[in-house]
Amino acid sequence: DVVMTQTPPSLSVAIGQSVSISCKSSQSLVYSDGKTYLHWLLQSSGRSPKRLIYQVSNLDSGVPDRFSGTGSQKDFTLKISRVEAKDLGVYYCAQTTHFPPTFGAGTKLELK
Amino acid sequence: QVQLQQSGAELAKPGSSVKISCKASGYTFTSYYISWIKQTTGQGLEYIGYINTGSGGTNYNEKFKGKATLTVDKSSSTAFMQLSSLTPDDSAVYYCARGSNSGPFAYWGQGTLVTVSS
Repeated sequence: DVVMTQTPPSLSVAIGQSVSISCKSSQSLVYSDGKTYLHWLLQSSGRSPKRLIYQVSNLDSGVPDRFSGTGSQKDFTLKISRVEAKDLGVYYCAQTTHFPPTFGAGTKLELK
Repeated sequence: QVQLQQSGAELAKPGSSVKISCKASGYTFTSYYISWIKQTTGQGLEYIGYINTGSGGTNYNEKFKGKATLTVDKSSSTAFMQLSSLTPDDSAVYYCARGSNSGPFAYWGQGTLVTVSS
């Protein structure tokens, strides 16, 4: 299975700061169709995960453009600009290029 | 709006089975596969498998073969997951999820807590 390594495991942030989360995969996530199926999810406390970004850099509907995703092949980054209180929670990267889909261990974003 | 409503928490004894449900609404049930995901504190998120809600065809993560059985009832727009031969390691929150035209995991159920204890 593809191993997804997320760093850091946790981040303490002040409101208004910007943060970045790294996600590295053990194999290239480029599929045979040329697309890269790397996604980012947020799980707020006590809630189900919610998808924020699909295929590396595409924001889901309603996700503010303070969120951005970049990367290619095996190395990906989620950046959150001007963090707000509602952004707090655990962020996961997930790949669906290879079966079975696998998830990173998560990065907990909390208030400093 | 798309909704996935899961059944309530289960307390089960080791060696028994449980069957949890995921009732879909707000869209044509057979248009999208349903996936199941396990979440534990120790192992994080693990993908169990998916079911083709139109044909009933399934694809399981090798790790969960023999443990999980996925089925659907098209008449009630409900997907089911049965977990058998339960052990304490099966204690977890289980989610159903559906993709969208843009990709997987676009919609999630609220989760079902399964606790295995004697």
